[in-house]
Amino acid sequence: KQEVTQIPAALSVPEGENLVLNCSFTDSAIYNLQWFRQDPGKGLTSLLLIQSSQREQTSGRLNASLDKSSGRSTLYIAASQPGDSATYLCAAEETSGSRLTFGEGTQLTVNP
Amino acid sequence: DVKVTQSSRYLVKRTGEKVFLECVQDMDHENMFWYRQDPGLGLRLIYFSYDVKMKEKGDIPEGYSVSREKKERFSLILESASTNQTSMYLCASSGRRAHEQYFGPGTRLTVT
Repeated sequence: KQEVTQIPAALSVPEGENLVLNCSFTDSAIYNLQWFRQDPGKGLTSLLLIQSSQREQTSGRLNASLDKSSGRSTLYIAASQPGDSATYLCAAEETSGSRLTFGEGTQLTVNP
Repeated sequence: DVKVTQSSRYLVKRTGEKVFLECVQDMDHENMFWYRQDPGLGLRLIYFSYDVKMKEKGDIPEGYSVSREKKERFSLILESASTNQTSMYLCASSGRRAHEQYFGPGTRLTVT
């Protein structure tokens, strides 16, 4: 059974800092690795999808990497802003494509 | 604009009550999912459905049942609510692949 873990559980940084969120998974036979953002009291919004054949994906100030062999993914946020404050979740997609397994999330606070 | 709606944002029920949580999607998606989200535990899959009248157990189906009589609607049923079912419940729908999931805003259920 796939297990996904995220470190740290919470992170507080000053505005402008670059930061890294970590995600690890136990079964390397994944189809995709996906990063989501969740604002308080809201549903999830997909940020980046990394297919198993890819090493990284970029969108604006966000860069996500994937190392299947070590069971790790990182989300790099450059020049953080207060508007980046949210919970970030990673999820591994099974090869069957039928479901996602989520990590516990990292709660990020960017202070002005 | 794609949309997944949930019948209630906040719900308070008493122990032993039968509770229905409704989810509707307007994207003609085959797959629909119910998750619960608890602090420190991330999203955990309760049930999912890949077609009308079809359902599959997720990781924590105990105490829950589901119904999918129409493609656009997926209901989560708590037959006899208990206090340990107090949680945020999130519904999602997707096309053929799980990574294409769109999430509803969530229902915060409190069982007293």
